[in-house]
This record gives sequence, structure tokens and C-alpha cells, in this order.
Amino acid sequence: KNEVEQSPQNLTAQEGEFITINCSYSVGISALHWLQQHPGGGIVSLFMLSSGKKKHGRLIATINIQEKHSSLHITASHPRDSAVYICAVMEYGNKLVFGAGTILRVKS
Amino acid sequence: DTAVSQTPKYLVTQMGNDKSIKCEQNLGHDTMYWYKQDSKKFLKIMFSYNNKELIINETVPNRFSPKSPDKAHLNLHINSLELGDSAVYFCASSRLARWDYTFGSGTRLTVV
Repeated sequence: KNEVEQSPQNLTAQEGEFITINCSYSVGISALHWLQQHPGGGIVSLFMLSSGKKKHGRLIATINIQEKHSSLHITASHPRDSAVYICAVMEYGNKLVFGAGTILRVKS
Repeated sequence: DTAVSQTPKYLVTQMGNDKSIKCEQNLGHDTMYWYKQDSKKFLKIMFSYNNKELIINETVPNRFSPKSPDKAHLNLHINSLELGDSAVYFCASSRLARWDYTFGSGTRLTVV
């Protein structure tokens, strides 16, 4: 079993829908990242969280350290949001451990 | 200016060859990493250097040898390439104990 579990693995949504991607982890961490990877593209860090909630535009990320759980929300989804979203936890020593990713497709 | 740059972006080579991938960062970060993304898109750390010293060395075949001439560069040399080495390799950098991870654009290695 992976130390970082994401759900769902695949997600198809209609444009405008509210999207939630979940991440659970089983190890002690210093921080959690939400990453975005477009097809054939590089990896971009969307959020770094150690507690609470962060918002950037239509994206919201939350983390519950006690429950070892984080969520990434996308409001008013758009086809350009189609990408792979990856949860990664930072173990002590700056080592990132990744979830398997969630493939999001937003249809117009 | 590209913050973390990797070269080459694509690399196609035959089994048994030796190849290198270069990585440079201009962010002033003190820690650099190599990650491998396999065919199922799963990312896993390979190595990490802090100020030119190896701090993370996961279970990676010793055909893979990282080299850090200074804290702005971390190159990956691979000897005797095998088909299973085909993957996308990502370089990244950060400041140790900080969370400001920045990834390179990846190098797609194909071994034929």
C-alpha cells in the first residue's frame, strides 16, 4: 500500500462543475504539496500546506493534520483545468512521496 | 529565465549506452533532487543533494550516478542503459527545510 493515496484515480466533469480530489497519507510529514501536470508537460506546484486552508483563484486546498487528509477543490471548472493532479507529502529531510495522481478531464 | 532547466528534453538511445542528463537551477536553492516518473506516471525520488552532499539515495541501481559539481547543478549519469530505464526524469530544487519546491520540465528517456 502506497504511503499516499489519492482518490479518485480518474475524474470527468462538465465545465462549471465543482471538483474535489482527495489525498490521504500514512506517514508523518512537514508539509503537503498539490502539483499539476499537463500532458507532455512539466510539473507545477499549486499549493504547499502545513495546516488549514489556502486559496488561489478557483483553486482551494485544505489539510487536516490530525486526520492525515487533504483535499483539492476546483470551483467553476474549465477545460483548461484538465490535467493530472498529484498529491505529494514532504517527509522530514525534504523528500517528497507522491500519490499516483488523479487524471481530470473537464468537458465543455 | 528558466528557474530549473534540464537538458536534453528528449533522449533516445540504444541499450548498453551511457548517457547523462544535466540540471541547473538559478534560484539560489541549496538542495536538488532527481525524480523518476514511470510509464504509469508514478513519481519516485532517486537522489537528493544538499550543498553538493548526497542526503537521499533511494534504492536505485548503481548504474545511476548523480554528480553535483556545485549547489546549482545536479547531473545524472546512467551507465549501461536498459529498456526499463525508459521514463521521464525530473530534476527539482528547494531550500532545505523550506517548502519551495520547483521542478524542471523533465527529460523523456527512451531506451531502444
